[in-house]
Amino acid sequence: GNSVTQMEGPVTLSEEAFLTINCTYTATGYPSLFWYVQYPGEGLQLLLKATKADDKGSNKGFEATYRKETTSFHLEKGSVQVSDSAVYFCALSGKAAGNKLTFGGGTRVLVKP
Amino acid sequence: DADVTQTPRNRITKTGKRIMLECSQTKGHDRMYWYRQDPGLGLRLIYYSFDVKDINKGEISDGYSVSRQAQAKFSLSLESAIPNQTALYFCATSDRAGPSTDTQYFGPGTRLTVL
Repeated sequence: GNSVTQMEGPVTLSEEAFLTINCTYTATGYPSLFWYVQYPGEGLQLLLKATKADDKGSNKGFEATYRKETTSFHLEKGSVQVSDSAVYFCALSGKAAGNKLTFGGGTRVLVKP
Repeated sequence: DADVTQTPRNRITKTGKRIMLECSQTKGHDRMYWYRQDPGLGLRLIYYSFDVKDINKGEISDGYSVSRQAQAKFSLSLESAIPNQTALYFCATSDRAGPSTDTQYFGPGTRLTVL
């Protein structure tokens, strides 16, 4: 079946530091890949997505590239802000699974001023 | 106004009680989902519905039931709550057609505590 593995947190950074959160997946076929973000006290919201190999998703300074050869979708941001403190979830969705989402365990990121 | 709303936002109940969590959406989406979130486990799918007459079990449906009262409403029930059902519960929706059928939109969550 489908599965997503992402690095455990918490990740603590200083403002303007570089952020990487690793995500690898196992899936049949060609899934779509997502990063969702959960700010404190809120629901999840889509941060970015990529639907095929070598696609790059980007939003709010975050980027992730769909790497089929390494089955990875690592999230990066060059200069984080305090407002980026949140929990980040990597997820996949496969047409064979009726577009149901499979989530990783989440990575908590804390950015200190 | 939020597109996906959940009520209540917080609930404390006792073991053995019946409880219902409600979800409403104004996005006009056909598909709706219920997830639970536990620390370190991400979100796990409880039930999903692709239209009013369609109900499907997810990976952790035991101890839960659902009702799709209308396109816009999807309720989750715990018939006899137990402490290990203490979690954060999320409702989500997605579109049946168009370019973004794989994108889900989440409500703000219901924090449930079973004593």
